[in-house]
Amino acid sequence: DVKVTQSSRYLVKRTGEKVFLECVQDMDHENMFWYRQDPGLGLRLIYFSYDVKMKEKGDIPEGYSVSREKKERFSLILESASTNQTSMYLCASSFFAPDGTISSTDTQYFGPGTRLTVL
Amino acid sequence: GENVEQHPSTLSVQEGDSAVIKCTYSDSASNYFPWYKQELGKRPQLIIDIRSNVGEKKDQRIAVTLNKTAKHFSLHITETQPEDSAVYFCAASKDTGRRALTFGSGTRLQVQP
Repeated sequence: DVKVTQSSRYLVKRTGEKVFLECVQDMDHENMFWYRQDPGLGLRLIYFSYDVKMKEKGDIPEGYSVSREKKERFSLILESASTNQTSMYLCASSFFAPDGTISSTDTQYFGPGTRLTVL
Repeated sequence: GENVEQHPSTLSVQEGDSAVIKCTYSDSASNYFPWYKQELGKRPQLIIDIRSNVGEKKDQRIAVTLNKTAKHFSLHITETQPEDSAVYFCAASKDTGRRALTFGSGTRLQVQP
């Protein structure tokens, strides 16, 4: 059973604080993703990673950075939190087929989410 | 980049009726289209997916259809039950370039008993 965990379910921070959100998966997945979920906007991709120490910007990377030092762990960093970063943050992971083709193993498995409030 | 539009944003049906949710995508190279269901307070979970070499796929009461020419795909739920009430997200991705999923904005389905 795939397990994706996130460090906190709820987090309250103050404007200007540096915030770390951590995600861990136990399925040896190559791919890991960070999304934010806001009402009416769906899931928007912030950053993703195909391998250790590798990262790529998603659709809304501004104000965020990421770190992937180990395969099972993908961290999202808010360098200086702002109120417009109040949101639900979801981490996901998936397998990467060696031949590069999309398959059902591309299923993304999501973590439980972290609801971040920035005051 | 890819853009996925999803309609309607909310859908209310009576138990036993059918529900249809529609999505359109912009990148003709997209070839993988999953649907995720998110129950209140829970994480999104894959319920069905389809690849571009198939026009329709069915799994019990759930089916997905794909029209590559028109670049749209739909989720069909028959004989709806109260436990089908959730937010449904469509998504699209492709084999090359950026392979990350692009999600639609979601549809809140409410099944009235």
